[in-house]
Amino acid sequence: SAVISQKPSRDICQRGTSLTIQCQVDSQVTMMFWYRQQPGQSLTLIATANQGSEATYESGFVIDKFPISRPNLTFSTLTVSNMSPEDSSIYLCSATREFGYGYTFGSGTRLTVV
Amino acid sequence: QQQVKQSPQSLIVQKGGISIINCAYENTAFDYFPWYQQFPGKGPALLIAIRPDVSEKKEGRFTISFNKSAKQFSLHIMDSQPGDSATYFCAASRTRNTGFQKLVFGTGTRLLVSP
Repeated sequence: SAVISQKPSRDICQRGTSLTIQCQVDSQVTMMFWYRQQPGQSLTLIATANQGSEATYESGFVIDKFPISRPNLTFSTLTVSNMSPEDSSIYLCSATREFGYGYTFGSGTRLTVV
Repeated sequence: QQQVKQSPQSLIVQKGGISIINCAYENTAFDYFPWYQQFPGKGPALLIAIRPDVSEKKEGRFTISFNKSAKQFSLHIMDSQPGDSATYFCAASRTRNTGFQKLVFGTGTRLLVSP
């Protein structure tokens, strides 16, 4: 399985600012994803990060709020823009080498917006 | 039709007992059913997974039972240990390359194994 490094691991940010979260995989992967998880809750897919093209967003998530980059097969970033306290959550990067299964997750970024 | 329903929401089991977590799905196109284990402050880790061509898969103390006709699958943790205390998520996806299908997660079960 791919090993995912995610940073920062946590941050406290002022409302109205933006935070960029980085996800680095130890080897080339087919697909990369970004999830959001409220403490004690399940995982919600934000978007699929597509290499060399625009990310595919799930219903309720938009590019202006959550711009995503994936410049190569091992790296992606998620930016949380113009943050509000409602954006306080855990953001997780995930990746898979094989289409549809074997998903691996990073340890997450715990974001608190004050 | 994309939902995966998971129960119970929380579970307390004595050390040495059997923990059982159940999931049900609706989409018959799903063909991959993983279970994830998540400890506080960590990302979910793949525990065990099954495909619908088998009814059971066992890895150590962890067993998945799969009932295709009932569209249900369950995780059994034998000889549960305090170190198994974590949140468990079932999930489902379609792997046939007819267009990407996201991994759909259950709502999670918080397991506490008492010493």
